Parts: sequence; C-alpha cells; structure tokens
Amino acid sequence: EVQLVQSGAEVKKPGESLKISCKGSGYSFTSYWIGWVRQMPGKGLEWMGIIYPGDSDTRYSPSFQGQVTISADKSISTAYLQWSSLKASDTAMYYCARPATVTPHDAFDIWGQGTMVTVSS
Amino acid sequence: DIQMTQSPSTLSASVGDRVTITCRASQSISSWLAWYQQKPGKAPKLLIYKASSLESGVPSRFSGSGSGTEFTLTISSLQPDDFATYYCQQYNSYSPGGTFGQGTKVEIK
Repeated sequence: EVQLVQSGAEVKKPGESLKISCKGSGYSFTSYWIGWVRQMPGKGLEWMGIIYPGDSDTRYSPSFQGQVTISADKSISTAYLQWSSLKASDTAMYYCARPATVTPHDAFDIWGQGTMVTVSS
Repeated sequence: DIQMTQSPSTLSASVGDRVTITCRASQSISSWLAWYQQKPGKAPKLLIYKASSLESGVPSRFSGSGSGTEFTLTISSLQPDDFATYYCQQYNSYSPGGTFGQGTKVEIK
C-alpha cells in the first residue's frame, strides 16, 4: 500500500526551531516528488513547496520562500519541513502529499495524515 | 502567479440535490485542474484530475468539466457522505506551485 506517514503533533514556543517529517512507503520514494501544504485553523489549503528526493531539487511558493526549508533523506524515504524560528502565525496543520505521476506538476493523489503545529508562548 | 477563485464559498443543499461548484483561474491553465474533498480533521481526498477525469474509487455522481479558465464540479445527487468542503487546484507546469481555490463548504439545508 502506498502511504505517507507524518510525525506527531508539536507544541512549540515562538523563536524555537522545528523539523517535521513525512515517511513514504509502498513505492519508489526517489522517483516521485513530495509536496507540503499548509492549512491554518479554519482556513483553506496553501501550496508551500515540493522536493524531488532523487536529487533534492526543491521549489518553493514565493509566499514560503525563505520562511521554511524543505529537505529529504532518500536513505530513509523521508521528507522534512523545517523552521529555524517559529512564529505564532506558523500555527497550522501541515500535510505532505505526493503527485500522481513522476512530474511535480500533477494532482496530489496520496496524502499524509497531517501534522498539527501549535506555536504559543 | 495564477489565482484560483471558487464560488460559492458556502452552499446549502439537501440530500438528492444536484450541486455545482465553480472555479475560475486568473489565466488559462488548459485542463490542469484537480478537485478535492476534505472532511473535518481529515486530509484532502482527490476526486477529479485533469479537469474531468474521475479518480479511481470515486463515485460516478461526481463529475468535472471545463478548460482554460472556467471549471465546474458537479455532484449529480447529493448524498449524506458528501457534506464536506471542496477545493479546486491548478497544477499548470508554467506556474510556480499548485494554487488552491479558497474552498466551498457544502452544508445540510
């Protein structure tokens, strides 16, 4: 079964760093891009960026460029989303998702279960 | 960047109703459009890709149409399981990222 399993919920203070993960299984992890999507409380979906684990080619939405870092470790089939200094406005549910084909420009047919990040003093 | 605008934002309907949701792109995206369903506390689920192709396992009461800048998602006969929020997403290869529409919540009338 193709699946993406994300790390658990996090509660952090403003200014702290954080790295959340997304582990792929059931398919060739290095052949498909992995994207990240933000959903703030009660709001819609926002495309953040996408990485190709095969060579770590990464593309960011202009809205998120410089705000987060997307990375991957192909040896353990895991993609990451990290922050160096969290803000209260980073409080959101974060989903990883896989495009249906080996191109970054495709619909997401596989989604992780989401990781809730809460940033509060 | 390509902007996606959905309408309406909220829709009240009854079981058995025919429901139509519209999504407009700020520039042509050919047929590079997907529709997702999201229920509270759950990840989105792909319903339609390439504007009109039904994802495997999705009931045939869901259909999509359109090309260029105007798209629709139609539910032919609303079922109790269909009350949810629906999002469109463009994934045109010439745009940096797959922009989502703001969502349409389908509520029980």
